Amino acid sequence: GESVGLHLPTLSVQEGDNSIINCAYSNSASDYFIWYKQESGKGPQFIIDIRSNMDKRQGQRVTVLLNKTVKHLSLQIAATQPGDSAVYFCAENIGGNTPLVFGKGTRLSVIA
Amino acid sequence: DAGVTQSPTHLIKTRGQQVTLRCSPKSGHDTVSWYQQALGQGPQFIFQYYEEEERQRGNFPDRFSGHQFPNYSSELNVNALLLGDSALYLCASSLGTRWGNTIYFGEGSWLTVV
Repeated sequence: GESVGLHLPTLSVQEGDNSIINCAYSNSASDYFIWYKQESGKGPQFIIDIRSNMDKRQGQRVTVLLNKTVKHLSLQIAATQPGDSAVYFCAENIGGNTPLVFGKGTRLSVIA
Repeated sequence: DAGVTQSPTHLIKTRGQQVTLRCSPKSGHDTVSWYQQALGQGPQFIFQYYEEEERQRGNFPDRFSGHQFPNYSSELNVNALLLGDSALYLCASSLGTRWGNTIYFGEGSWLTVV
């Protein structure tokens, strides 16, 4: 399928290592943050979310960290697997059902 | 439990033509949003429908219009297609307007304008 991330920053990680993908956001009013994974030719897949009243949230093999002071969000993937290879986007909104604003995306490439 | 479904998956149109894309939200969801994703970019918000009305709109011209039906499904229409309209069009669904409801995306419709 077509690729949606032809010229994105790329993070290359050895299989089994931990990955950290970073995202800077600009709107200090943002209240809710989501990480999405997008594989080639597919739509964004929800990974994990976090509210602005939290600074850390853990899921299965993933952790999201939020630093509101510097407006920074990160996604940590433990024991990265080849199936984790994809483009990762952070998204934010100001709460409720307001539109999501997406970051530029990072391509994660897992080296077997 | 079906997720968000979109049709068609791929289509090719000529400049000046019109296109209609369709979306069925995830079961139980009543809010549908449309996003445009150009190559190498993140999705950009087009508009959102709730209770059959356009509730919010992004920075897109009036050539982009939509509709939501009583069963919560939705259509995106684009008139007078331009080459720059070539993109992946994503439908996202969620439940109501409550804070922090998870927003799920469909697989998208790839539109190529030639």
